Parts: sequence; C-alpha cells; structure tokens
Amino acid sequence: QKEVEQDPGPLSVPEGAIVSLNCTYSNSAFQYFMWYRQYSRKGPELLMYTYSSGNKEDGRFTAQVDKSSKYISLFIRDSQPSDSATYLCAMKWHTGNQFYFGTGTSLTVIP
Amino acid sequence: ETGVTQSPTHLIKTRGQQVTLRCSSQSGHNTVSWYQQALGQGPQFIFQYYREEENGRGNFPPRFSGLQFPNYSSELNVNALELDDSALYLCASSPGTSGTNNEQFFGPGTRLTVL
Repeated sequence: QKEVEQDPGPLSVPEGAIVSLNCTYSNSAFQYFMWYRQYSRKGPELLMYTYSSGNKEDGRFTAQVDKSSKYISLFIRDSQPSDSATYLCAMKWHTGNQFYFGTGTSLTVIP
Repeated sequence: ETGVTQSPTHLIKTRGQQVTLRCSSQSGHNTVSWYQQALGQGPQFIFQYYREEENGRGNFPPRFSGLQFPNYSSELNVNALELDDSALYLCASSPGTSGTNNEQFFGPGTRLTVL
C-alpha cells in the first residue's frame, strides 16, 4: 500500500465550477499537509499547507484535513482556465524531513 | 529574491554513463532536497542536505549521491545510469533548521533522458 493515495483523474470541469481534489494516507504520524500545483514541464508550486486537522482558506482555495479519516481535500472555487494543471498532495511527519507525495490529479478547466 | 534554479534544463545520456545535476537554493534557504519524478507520478524523495551533510535518504541506491556547498547550492550525481533513471529531477529548498522544514520551494527541474 502506498503511503499517499491520490486519484490521477483526469478531471474536467467548466469554468466557474467548484473543484474538489482529495488524498488519503495510511500513516497516522503525518502532521503537515501540503498542496502543490504543477504546470506541464514545470516544478511544483506550493499552494497551501496546513498543520494537523482543520481548514485553511486562501482566496479561492480551501484546504481541509481530517486526521481521523486520514483524508485531505483541496477545494477550488470559481475555477478558471488558468487553474488547469496537475495538483499534488504531500505530507510529512512532525520532525521528519521527507515529504511524501501523491501521484497528482490532472485538472482541466474548460472556458 | 531569486527562486530555486537548476541546470541543465534537459540532458540526454546513455546507459552506464554518469551525470551531475546542479541546484541553487533560494536566498536564505539552508536545506536542499532532491526528488525524482517519473512521468505521471508524484515526486519521490531521494535525499536531503543540511549544512553540507546528508540528512535523510529515500529508497534510492548508493549510485545516487550528492553534495551541498557552503553557499547552500547542491549537486546530484548519478552513476551507472539505467533506463529507469529517465525522469524529471527536482530540487527543493527550505528555510530553517532540518526537521522543521514544512515548506519546500521547488525549482523547474532537470529532465534527464537515458537511452
């Protein structure tokens, strides 16, 4: 079983839709949870990170962590064509130095 | 403020050769991590360097080695290249002390093709 599971998609939505991206994980020791956006042939760009359980909002993006279910989500409101990219979840232990990534979900927002 | 830079952008090698990839960390960042990202996969942790010492390693064989320099820039060396080493190699830098790096900032990557 992989440490982090993420549905690769692809996911295609119309412009303005609310997008929900999700990851599950198996290691209850994970404490920090990150979401990255990666455009084609580019390096990942950090979108948000959260500690432990709870929600965090930044503009059109909301990250949620449910540690009891080992489940994290990223919501994108009012999606734009420029949001079309691969979204990667990542997580790490409290004092660990290794980030564990999901495989990424490919998102296309259709104008 | 300059972000993370990597060189070269692309590289083509043949099986059995050796390769060196380079990374300059973001200004003020003292920790550098290297990742391998195969096509359609998420990044896989190779190792991390902090203050010129290896500080954690993923499940990669010893032919993957690295260095960090006093200015915090870093190199990834891969010996005896195999076809499966074809991937995007990503460097990420972090501020702060080792073990508390909860944000990593990635460079654009080096795309390595092994023929």
